[in-house]
Amino acid sequence: AQSVTQLDSQVPVFEEAPVELRCNYSSSVSVYLFWYVQYPNQGLQLLLKYLSGSTLVKGINGFEAEFNKSQTSFHLRKPSVHISDTAEYFCAVIEGSQGNLIFGKGTKLSVKP
Amino acid sequence: NAGVTQTPKFQVLKTGQSMTLQCAQDMNHNSMYWYRQDPGMGLRLIYYSASEGTTDKGEVPNGYNVSRLNKREFSLRLESAAPSQTSVYFCASSAGQGAKNIQYFGAGTRLSVL
Repeated sequence: AQSVTQLDSQVPVFEEAPVELRCNYSSSVSVYLFWYVQYPNQGLQLLLKYLSGSTLVKGINGFEAEFNKSQTSFHLRKPSVHISDTAEYFCAVIEGSQGNLIFGKGTKLSVKP
Repeated sequence: NAGVTQTPKFQVLKTGQSMTLQCAQDMNHNSMYWYRQDPGMGLRLIYYSASEGTTDKGEVPNGYNVSRLNKREFSLRLESAAPSQTSVYFCASSAGQGAKNIQYFGAGTRLSVL
């Protein structure tokens, strides 16, 4: 079965510093990858997704992620974070074209002034 | 512009009580989902409904039942609540199943079972 591993449960970072949130998935013939963000006391919203094509995917709020098939990774990056980026970030995968989302355990990003 | 609406937002139950969590979407979506979120566990799929009239088990269905009342509404029922069901429950919907259809989430129901 498909699985997703988020390597860091918490990432503290100072404002305006770069950040990388790591995500690895178990290998499969075809996977579709997603990053969702959850702000405090809210539901999840989609940041970005990789379905096919360019391996560098740009999302909302200045985030981007790179699909690396050989390393089975889909790490999320932002060159300069803001206080407002403090949230929990979830990597997710769908296996095959009609599967359901499988979520990682989440990474809490804490941006400090 | 409501999107996915969940009620109630908070609920406290005693062990053995029953309750129904309500979810409604106004985006004319075919597919709807119920997840639970526990600390350090991410989101796990409880049940889903690929289209009106169908429901299927997800990863953690035990102790729950669902009803796809119509295209808009998908409810989750706990017949006899247990402390292990203390969690945050999220409903989501999408135009269809699969990777090309983005899931939109409600704000969640925070449930405590004492």
